[in-house]
Amino acid sequence: DQQVKQNSPSLSVQEGRISILNCDYTNSMFDYFLWYKKYPAEGPTFLISISSIKDKNEDGRFTVFLNKSAKHLSLHIVPSQPGDSAVYFCAATRKTGGGNKLTFGTGTQLKVEL
Amino acid sequence: EPEVTQTPSHQVTQMGQEVILRCVPISNHLYFYWYRQILGQKVEFLVSFYNNEISEKSEIFDDQFSVERPDGSNFTLKIRSTKLEDSAMYFCASRVGSGRQETQYFGPGTRLLVL
Repeated sequence: DQQVKQNSPSLSVQEGRISILNCDYTNSMFDYFLWYKKYPAEGPTFLISISSIKDKNEDGRFTVFLNKSAKHLSLHIVPSQPGDSAVYFCAATRKTGGGNKLTFGTGTQLKVEL
Repeated sequence: EPEVTQTPSHQVTQMGQEVILRCVPISNHLYFYWYRQILGQKVEFLVSFYNNEISEKSEIFDDQFSVERPDGSNFTLKIRSTKLEDSAMYFCASRVGSGRQETQYFGPGTRLLVL
C-alpha cells in the first residue's frame, strides 16, 4: 500500500546546482504535504510544507511545488550545499478531524558533491 | 528552540520482555504520535494521541502496544512482550494542533534491539 512514492532512491548533485526531489501520491484525500530531512541515527527534521490550496511554497533555498492534478510534488533546493546531503522524505496527511497521521515515502538519498 | 526529546537513545532487550520508551513533547503541543522505522524501510505511523486518548492507530499497533501520558510532560510507548520484529527506530512526534499548523516535529528516536 504505497500511497506516497519516491521513485528515486538516490540523487547526486554538484555543489551550487539545483537539486530536485520528486514525490507522487495516490490518495486524493491528502491535503497537506511535508518534506523532512533525515541524517542517520537522527529523527526527521521538518523542512517545508504545502497545503493543497497552494501550488508553491518557498522558504529560503527550499521551494516545494504541488501539482494536484498529477498528484505530484517536488522539492527544489537552490543552491545545493554539501550540508544538504541527507535522506529526504516526502510525507502527506489529511487535515480532517482525527489523528492527522503522516504517510511517508521511502526517501531519496541526496548527495551534494564538491 | 523547543524540541522533542526521547529516552533512552538505545535499548537492548530480550524477546518477551517489556520495554517502555519515553518522550517529552514540545510543551504547548496538543497532539502526540509514535512512528517507527525498521532498518532499510520507510517511517511508519503507529499511533496518535489527543486529549488523553488514542485518536488513531495503525494495524501494527496491536494489543501488545500501549501509550500513556502519565503526567503533564511525558508521553510513553509500552511494548508488553517484545518480538524480534519489533527491532526498529521509534520516533515520537508532536504537533501544536491549533489553526492551520499541521507540522509534526520529531524527536531523535530510540533504537530498540530485541534479541
